[in-house]
Amino acid sequence: IQMTQSPSSLSASVGDRVTITCRAGQTINNHLNWYQQKPGRAPKVLIYGASSLQSGVPSRFSGSGSGTDFTLTISSLQPEDFATYYCQQSYITPWTFGLGTKLEIK
Amino acid sequence: QVQLQESGPGLVKPSETLSLSCTVSGGSMNSFSWSWIRQPPGRELEWIGRIYSAERADYNPSLKSRVTMSIDTSQNQFSLRLNSVTAADTAIYYCVRERQLVQLNWFDPWGQGTLVIVSS
Repeated sequence: IQMTQSPSSLSASVGDRVTITCRAGQTINNHLNWYQQKPGRAPKVLIYGASSLQSGVPSRFSGSGSGTDFTLTISSLQPEDFATYYCQQSYITPWTFGLGTKLEIK
Repeated sequence: QVQLQESGPGLVKPSETLSLSCTVSGGSMNSFSWSWIRQPPGRELEWIGRIYSAERADYNPSLKSRVTMSIDTSQNQFSLRLNSVTAADTAIYYCVRERQLVQLNWFDPWGQGTLVIVSS
C-alpha cells in the first residue's frame, strides 16, 4: 500500500500549530502509525492506531483520521520537535512507510 | 525496559551475504514478532520482514528471494541474512519489536541501527 505524505518539508516557528497529512493508496481503517526521527537516531513511535498516543509522548502530539486520510498535529511546536516525521500503515503486509516530512525551524 | 542492539559487519562485498544479529534485553521475546527495517542514507524506511517463531516469518516481496530470518529465544536473539547484496543494499539496518493491541500493530522499541555499506 503506497503512503503519500505532505508536505515533504515544512518550516515553522516555536509555538506554531503544525499539521502533517498522510494518504493511503487504499483504505486502511485506523491502522496508521506516526514516527518521529531525529538526525542520527532511530525512529520513535508517537501515535499508533491513527489516534492513540504512545505512552510517554507529550500531549501536544495528536493524530486523527480513518480510511485513507490521516493527520498528525503538533499543537504548539517545541524546539525538540524539529525532526522528520513518517507515517506507516499496519493494515496489510508488507508494512509501508511514507517518504517523510522534514520539519525545520523558520 | 526492553532494549535491542544490532551487531554485525559494517562492510560487505557485492554478491556476498549480509548477516546481522539483534540481541534483546530487558524482556521476553515470547508473544512478540520481531522485524528488520532498513533506511538508505537520507532516504525513507523499508520494512524487510518479521519473524514470530522458528517456523513463521513474513518477508517483503521485494526482498523475499534474498532474505532469511531466524530466531533463538534461548539466546534472546534474532537474525537477518540478505544474500547477493549490491550497492542498493547499503543502508542503516534497524531491528525492531512489533507490538500488537487487538488488531493494531506498531514498532516499538527500535535498536539504535547499524550502518552496512556494500562495497568492494
